Amino acid sequence: DAGVIQSPRHEVTEMGQEVTLRCKPISGHDYLFWYRQTMMRGLELLIYFNNNVPIDDSGMPEDRFSAKMPNASFSTLKIQPSEPRDSAVYFCASSYRLEAFFGQGTRLTVV
Amino acid sequence: QKEVEQNSGPLSVPEGAIASLNCTYSDRGSQSFFWYRQYSGKSPELIMFIYSNGDKEDGRFTAQLNKASQYVSLLIRDSQPSDSATYLCAVNNAGNMLTFGGGTRLMVKP
Repeated sequence: DAGVIQSPRHEVTEMGQEVTLRCKPISGHDYLFWYRQTMMRGLELLIYFNNNVPIDDSGMPEDRFSAKMPNASFSTLKIQPSEPRDSAVYFCASSYRLEAFFGQGTRLTVV
Repeated sequence: QKEVEQNSGPLSVPEGAIASLNCTYSDRGSQSFFWYRQYSGKSPELIMFIYSNGDKEDGRFTAQLNKASQYVSLLIRDSQPSDSATYLCAVNNAGNMLTFGGGTRLMVKP
């Protein structure tokens, strides 16, 4: 398996623009997680899905953030409108049992 | 609030020494504990996990768990410069959700 695949790897956008991050989990994994990592706050869980259903979105910082998982092999995290403080590395991870495996991340810069 | 605490470091050890990384957690109901390694600019990589009190060994790595003290540690024997990275402790609280500590930066000096 190729592991968790995220795209794009890097994204630079202007404040106010919509940003969409994409994730393909490992085949057969039934949990999918979106994390955000910054120097100040470390690795924070934003939202996670089980069998494509959102279970806990309490980590989503604001209504500007939304996430979907239309099927078992694809998820998106959308930020609209984006702000400079959203600049961070966004990781997607998936798991079958308890061990979560991370994608390579998307480095988002909002200018 | 369920918290996972780690000393941010850096922890500096000479090559060949034992590196000891520590983690405490606040939720007594936590069941599973994980250690991830993250190289600069890379994603977290699972090293090992532990569920039961005591020690679990995997090569040069040993995880130790003491649920009564709410304490998890990772020992790295014969430390190598390639072990220099940030080590993240993670705790499973509910469902499959992991809460991560802030990480400890380890530096192994040749």
